[in-house]
Amino acid sequence: DTGVSQNPRHKITKRGQNVTFRCDPISEHNRLYWYRQTLGQGPEFLTYFQNEAQLEKSRLLSDRFSAERPKGSFSTLEIQRTEQGDSAMYLCASSRAREGYTFGSGTRLTVV
Amino acid sequence: ELKVEQNPLFLSMQEGKNYTIYCNYSTTSDRLYWYRQDPGKSLESLFVLLSNGAVKQEGRLMASLDTKARLSTLHITAAVHDLSATYFCAVSTSLTGNQFYFGTGTSLTVIP
Repeated sequence: DTGVSQNPRHKITKRGQNVTFRCDPISEHNRLYWYRQTLGQGPEFLTYFQNEAQLEKSRLLSDRFSAERPKGSFSTLEIQRTEQGDSAMYLCASSRAREGYTFGSGTRLTVV
Repeated sequence: ELKVEQNPLFLSMQEGKNYTIYCNYSTTSDRLYWYRQDPGKSLESLFVLLSNGAVKQEGRLMASLDTKARLSTLHITAAVHDLSATYFCAVSTSLTGNQFYFGTGTSLTVIP
């Protein structure tokens, strides 16, 4: 297993466009998380899946954001009608039970 | 909402010196994590502290947890340049479920 994989690594998009990111967790991890990190800050929780069920969502996850994990394996995070304030590093992590997370390398989004 | 504070936010130290990073959190926690992040990279797990009085050491880094004081420390012994990075503590509790709350990070620069 090569760890948590995220694609793309970088994404530059124009304001108003939709973007989608993908996360492939460690295969035996049933828990998957999305976090957002802006410059100089710690990661902020966005949402959590256990298997295919989305069990928790942050208030940060506005209605322009949607996340899925259709078969309990990979996950996608979509942002519709991007705004400049969406520019950030989007981090995916996976874990078993309440163990510590393993983070992916992140997708850096720049909205211009 | 659980709050996690780290200090100092920025730390510049000479090689060979010792220093301590502090992590305070606002409510009872049963798990505390330390992560390292290099510029532009993702987060690497360093330590998981699960109980009051827990102490873990890896190389020049030692982490401890005092749940009564709601305080964790990351002690650096005889710093070397390779330790330059941003260090985050993160807390989860049975009340927060699967969310981790991260501190704002401590940016460490070790000067030769």
